[in-house]
Amino acid sequence: GQQLNQSPQSMFIQEGEDVSMNCTSSSIFNTWLWYKQDPGEGPVLLIALYKAGELTSNGRLTAQFGITRKDSFLNISASIPSDVGIYFCAGQLTGTYKYIFGTGTRLKVLA
Amino acid sequence: GAVVSQHPSRVICKSGTSVKIECRSLDFQATTMFWYRQFPKQSLMLMATSNEGSKATYEQGVEKDKFLINHASLTLSTLTVTSAHPEDSSFYICSAEGQAGGKREKLFFGSGTQLSVL
Repeated sequence: GQQLNQSPQSMFIQEGEDVSMNCTSSSIFNTWLWYKQDPGEGPVLLIALYKAGELTSNGRLTAQFGITRKDSFLNISASIPSDVGIYFCAGQLTGTYKYIFGTGTRLKVLA
Repeated sequence: GAVVSQHPSRVICKSGTSVKIECRSLDFQATTMFWYRQFPKQSLMLMATSNEGSKATYEQGVEKDKFLINHASLTLSTLTVTSAHPEDSSFYICSAEGQAGGKREKLFFGSGTQLSVL
């Protein structure tokens, strides 16, 4: 199945550090969503982006919809231990209802 | 945020039996529901897209006779894994998108169903 390129695949960081991850594609999207998933649970929506260039924050999280509509990034500032988990981007392909997911970024925060 | 309820959360069954998974949007009408499958430490793979009152659209490689999807109402979609075999063991997650009160809803997920076929 189709997937978005998401990087990094995993990262270990110290508590208090900032984190950045991104998703890229050769396709154009009209919506970008960012999720966090804990083991054995469904993904929980963090941020939704609907316009090219849009920059949206949710607490310590900030995400942007790339100008080209082919990419998006998520930043987490001042990370804390509970930020640990797997983060996924999801893009809705232009002209379809389908959402395609990124390959995921596994985040581990060291106290 | 909107709530999507998925049941059961875990099911263990014998090979050859059928298993039904329900997905309900509790506080909004879901015009479109999606079913995903997720293997351990991997991303979500879209299986099918269903719109209320019409046949589901399956992704390439997903057997429609194996994974029966019924989207009978704006708040309920079901996935039935027919004649389940061990290779069908996986984490299945539904999601729903719709509008409530004229405001565009985002894509919300159920809590997932862990299927184990013995």
